[in-house]
Amino acid sequence: QSVLTQPPSVSGAPGQRVTISCTGSSSNIGAGYDVHWYQQLPGTAPKLLIYGNSNRPSGVPDRFSGSKSGTSASLAITGLQAEDEGDYYCQSYDRSLSNSGVFGGGTKVTVL
Amino acid sequence: QITVKESGPTLVKPKQTLTLTCTFSGFSLSTSGVGVAWIRQPPGKALEWLTLIYWDDEKRYSPFLKNRLTITKDTSKNQVVLSMTNMDPVDTATYYCAHIKVRSGSYDYWGQGTLVTVSS
Repeated sequence: QSVLTQPPSVSGAPGQRVTISCTGSSSNIGAGYDVHWYQQLPGTAPKLLIYGNSNRPSGVPDRFSGSKSGTSASLAITGLQAEDEGDYYCQSYDRSLSNSGVFGGGTKVTVL
Repeated sequence: QITVKESGPTLVKPKQTLTLTCTFSGFSLSTSGVGVAWIRQPPGKALEWLTLIYWDDEKRYSPFLKNRLTITKDTSKNQVVLSMTNMDPVDTATYYCAHIKVRSGSYDYWGQGTLVTVSS
């Protein structure tokens, strides 16, 4: 059971918009910790997609966007492409766990 | 250019201690704000956060594994070492080290990972 809760899977047709939620609590996201998102394509290491809730590292397309509100965060992918198919993870920290890092359970994005 | 790479045994026996090394370049762990984290991923499962160390030797551990983990740094060698005691088959996973993006808490550079199998 992950500290941050994500839907196991989402899917969409090419060109569509999908969103992935990341639900936490008052000891992590709600405590003010930033949320970060990672993309893991099959057989590869995770890649930083969004940091600090809504910032994109250099090279990440603006089709990816992040937001945070209260005890939750979300990742949106617009103009879905076949190359976006993979697993997506949110990450933050938790003050009730000695400020250790925490990950969501991951969401599998399928492009129909 | 920042690079990180994990190294260590691919097979350990139950009850043994696992020692993994993260060797990095492109940054120094003596620079303010810099840190390195370890994350693992069992086959077909989600990422699991293990531990991190910062330039000032601040260390954080997963409370679920704290009694088994030790993280240390060797600034002169540009290395971070993870030790995990009392290995069990459920600890079979790909172990990643990652550079912590300064003032962010996110992990912006990851190693390729190293698969560690626990089996007798």
